[in-house]
Amino acid sequence: DAMVIQNPRYQVTQFGKPVTLSCSQTLNHNVMYWYQQKSSQAPKLLFHYYDKDFNNEADTPDNFQSRRPNTSFCFLDIRSPGLGDAAMYLCATSGRQVWDYNEQFFGPGTRLTVL
Amino acid sequence: AQTVTQSQPEMSVQEAETVTLSCTYDTSENNYYLFWYKQPPSRQMILVIRQEAYKQQNATENRFSVNFQKAAKSFSLKISDSQLGDTAMYFCAFMTSRLTFGEGTQLTVNP
Repeated sequence: DAMVIQNPRYQVTQFGKPVTLSCSQTLNHNVMYWYQQKSSQAPKLLFHYYDKDFNNEADTPDNFQSRRPNTSFCFLDIRSPGLGDAAMYLCATSGRQVWDYNEQFFGPGTRLTVL
Repeated sequence: AQTVTQSQPEMSVQEAETVTLSCTYDTSENNYYLFWYKQPPSRQMILVIRQEAYKQQNATENRFSVNFQKAAKSFSLKISDSQLGDTAMYFCAFMTSRLTFGEGTQLTVNP
């Protein structure tokens, strides 16, 4: 089945130690998103790629970076994680066709713990 | 700015009964999409139902239906014949250039 895959599902890192979260998709969607979701809160959009074009949200901290080497993969890099960065990180995609552009498909998320 | 408001942080319902979750939004756009997403305890966000703003007919997906009132900017979700597996956080979301989520309603279905 076509899907959005996130690895790892659980990630533990130390304060200040760089960490990379991975997202891949088999849907051939041209848009990929990264959201941060803290406990009992709504997901917050960090940035998205439209094909190779990177779009950063204005309030996304500089500590968060992203890479999209090809259509299928997108990475979230946290350069110096702080305790406040502990959260669930959700990857989502949306499609190329007009009729499915606006629906986002979510991965299962990566829960990040910062010690 | 576009905002989405879910005024019910928590709701509960008995199994097999019907429950309605409220959502209002604010926008100056005329063309947009509205969604209800479900996030069970396993945390994967799943699309429940979608509504295109240009369509007057309310969307229906099996036991899930919406009451879309464009003039009132209201988009409520009705769940009929509630099942234990419907227990989840439900997010109302609004889409133009980006997806804006409400704060969510935690729904618990009791046996």
